[in-house]
Amino acid sequence: KAGVTQTPRYLIKTRGQQVTLSCSPISGHRSVSWYQQTPGQGLQFLFEYFSETQRNKGNFPGRFSGRQFSNSRSEMNVSTLELGDSALYLCASALGINEKLFFGSGTQLSVL
Amino acid sequence: AQKITQTQPGMFVQEKEAVTLDCTYDTSDPSYGLFWYKQPSSGEMIFLIYQGSYDQQNATEGRYSLNFQKARKSANLVISASQLGDSAMYFCAMRGVYGGATNKLIFGTGTLLAVQP
Repeated sequence: KAGVTQTPRYLIKTRGQQVTLSCSPISGHRSVSWYQQTPGQGLQFLFEYFSETQRNKGNFPGRFSGRQFSNSRSEMNVSTLELGDSALYLCASALGINEKLFFGSGTQLSVL
Repeated sequence: AQKITQTQPGMFVQEKEAVTLDCTYDTSDPSYGLFWYKQPSSGEMIFLIYQGSYDQQNATEGRYSLNFQKARKSANLVISASQLGDSAMYFCAMRGVYGGATNKLIFGTGTLLAVQP
């Protein structure tokens, strides 16, 4: 059974650009959540989706957005990139709410 | 507010020995879940073990066990018979239900474990 798949693995962008990251959950999982990991702030929650609905959102500016599709795949978008957006972005999937979460390998975003 | 505290920034252990990684938590939720994840240098976050707050027994998964002491609000990870491949960053995380069921996790700052041959 395939795990959580995140693409791309690495991404280099310049300030002001926008970026879209993709996450394919484990087959049958309907919950997807996103986290940002930086050396300074550690792991921080971005958003959570279940059955195409955003259930929770972390304390991030409106430049960070996401969505979930009917096949449970999820994308997150960051517009007007800033240097501080450089981070490892991790996606996690779960069968449902209050289930175990399994993470992907992450997308390493570098903003120059 | 929920909080996870990992007081050991780094630890060394000899191969084949057992090691305990500390985790304390703070929450007012009556129901919550505690997780441990391993993150090697490659970056992926690997699920190790889960403990629900109402579980009567401590969780075990192979060489991993969770020493859950609810009154002390601690959820320490015990790795038995350490292997070189156990060298990684370890994160403790908590999920609460305050305000509604959720899969949102709060993470600690992590413990970097180095296994020495």
